[in-house]
Amino acid sequence: DAKTTQPPSMDCAEGRAANLPCNHSTISGNEYVYWYRQIHSQGPQYIIHGLKNNETNEMASLIITEDRKSSTLILPHATLRDTAVYYCIDQETSGSRLTFGEGTQLTVNP
Amino acid sequence: EPEVTQTPSHQVTQMGQEVILRCVPISNHLYFYWYRQILEQKVEFLVSFYNNEISEKSEIFDDQFSVERPDGSNFTLKIRSTKLEDSAMYFCASSPWTVGGYTFGSGTRLTVV
Repeated sequence: DAKTTQPPSMDCAEGRAANLPCNHSTISGNEYVYWYRQIHSQGPQYIIHGLKNNETNEMASLIITEDRKSSTLILPHATLRDTAVYYCIDQETSGSRLTFGEGTQLTVNP
Repeated sequence: EPEVTQTPSHQVTQMGQEVILRCVPISNHLYFYWYRQILEQKVEFLVSFYNNEISEKSEIFDDQFSVERPDGSNFTLKIRSTKLEDSAMYFCASSPWTVGGYTFGSGTRLTVV
């Protein structure tokens, strides 16, 4: 079973920031926080990952709390194409399995 | 940008038949995986493969499943005797040695009739 918890759904207006929360209550010290998304039955797409520092790439920003028990994925200017299911996953090492939960269905509205 | 390629995109097979799903991972990746997603359900891990052997498998990956890397580029999933409940999207993925995200393929939709 997935170790993270996420709200089942969120809505966001196009052009606004989407902030997706995740709780990692049982994360261990050597586990990274990963975010993926899945657009309507396509293969999951990697977005970003981090250990304890905040991270930013061309797709999103990742904020991890100091105790690492929660994280927030930020899409700074959401577009209609960002409508997808977003998953946060704790993963220990390269090559280990990803355990997907239910994720958050983000709907970006015009 | 490098891609993971899966073929075929759709496969329809009769119950009891063998199917082989094919994948071409990213060339410099070292870990290879198969996941499946039954309609509207969660993405489920099946198996991981490293250094020409299975490194981890789930309880779903029973004796009817096998994986192979027959040459330097292809990675295959064989289902020996398909059942109706094997109908699902099957995703191949690969990842590098270092910490980083997986790259998933676009999937093969398997329908067992």
